Amino acid sequence: AQSVTQPDIHITVSEGASLELRCNYSYGATPYLFWYVQSPGQGLQLLLKYFSGDTLVQGIKGFEAEFKRSQSSFNLRKPSVHWSDAAEYFCAVGPFGPAFNFGNEKLTFGTGTRLTIIP
Amino acid sequence: DARVTQTPRHKVTEMGQEVTMRCQPILGHNTVFWYRQTMMQGLELLAYFRNRAPLDDSGMPKDRFSAEMPDATLATLKIQPSEPRDSAVYFCASGLAPQGGAYEQYFGPGTRLTVT
Repeated sequence: AQSVTQPDIHITVSEGASLELRCNYSYGATPYLFWYVQSPGQGLQLLLKYFSGDTLVQGIKGFEAEFKRSQSSFNLRKPSVHWSDAAEYFCAVGPFGPAFNFGNEKLTFGTGTRLTIIP
Repeated sequence: DARVTQTPRHKVTEMGQEVTMRCQPILGHNTVFWYRQTMMQGLELLAYFRNRAPLDDSGMPKDRFSAEMPDATLATLKIQPSEPRDSAVYFCASGLAPQGGAYEQYFGPGTRLTVT
């Protein structure tokens, strides 16, 4: 079964500092990987996704993530955070390739990392 | 700006009452998901539909929960009877299959349910 681990429950970063949020996944084949963000009182919004190809993917709001197969990781990064980045961030994984079929395209979400920004 | 809409945004009800939550997916999307979010369990998938047909509802307590799509523009999640443990935020999300597209899910703002 697929699983996602976000080891950091809460991270505090100063505005303007760099950010890295960790995500490790467990899956028997090549997965689809995603990062979603949830602002307070809102639903989740897709930040970026990885299916195949270049292992460094760019997303919205200046975020990027790097897929490292050897480490089963898909960490999210941003070079300089803004106060508006304060939110909850969720990593997610879904089946890809031979494991994919209509009817099982369910995402497995991590437990989330809450990001606090200090002025 | 296409969005998923959910009504009501907040609902407070007494134990034993019926609760109906509604979702309008983005026009043209053929896949609809229902999630529940709590502090203890995080984000849980309850059910999802493709072209209005249920594909998987294994995450949903069958004795009290039901989900339907009366038409392509409306998805409903019903709880009858409601219990305090159902208190949570319920999200609807929509996406566009085929392969891969359904993962790019667009979430609604959620319905915050409190059962007393």
